[in-house]
Amino acid sequence: AQSVTQLGSHVSVSEGALVLLRCNYSSSVPPYLFWYVQYPNQGLQLLLKYTSAATLVKGINGFEAEFKKSETSFHLTKPSAHMSDAAEYFCAVSTNTGGFKTIFGAGTRLFVKA
Amino acid sequence: DTEVTQTPKHLVMGMTNKKSLKCEQHMGHRAMYWYKQKAKKPPELMFVYSYEKLSINESVPSRFSPECPNSSLLNLHLHALQPEDSALYLCASSQARRSNTGELFFGEGSRLTVL
Repeated sequence: AQSVTQLGSHVSVSEGALVLLRCNYSSSVPPYLFWYVQYPNQGLQLLLKYTSAATLVKGINGFEAEFKKSETSFHLTKPSAHMSDAAEYFCAVSTNTGGFKTIFGAGTRLFVKA
Repeated sequence: DTEVTQTPKHLVMGMTNKKSLKCEQHMGHRAMYWYKQKAKKPPELMFVYSYEKLSINESVPSRFSPECPNSSLLNLHLHALQPEDSALYLCASSQARRSNTGELFFGEGSRLTVL
């Protein structure tokens, strides 16, 4: 069975500071890993994905994540936070079982202070 | 602009009503999904259709009835719902081939309130 754990339900940073959102996964097979962002009253949007190619993955809006198999982690980072980054972030893992079954983490709410 | 379109954006219904949520995508995706999301929670998978056939039903109560009339459309028929069914219902689509990664494309959701 696959699972995802996001450490910290809320993260608060100052504008211009480093953003670090933590995600650990559990998987019996090489996983497909994703970070999605959800702005208020909207659906989820893909930020980036890991698909067993490069371990450092770059996404949209300046975000990136590093896949570390030894630590079973896929943490999301951004060097400099912007006010517009305030949103809910979900780490997710998927498996193909006749249509993909995607398991989401509990989510981390990012607050950005001026 | 999202490429997955959901209607209606908001729906209020009584417990005896019958209503439907609709979802449409034109990306050629052959897997389509219904998720339920409660406030401050992650999306929970309800149903998956792969090549227009129901492939995953996550033990959803029968008062929710999915339908996939063709490769572009996905419906969720609602009947005799309970107030606790009030939530944001998200439709998503993805490639269905095993060689793909399952990246999901979401609509903006239909916010359902059951009175």
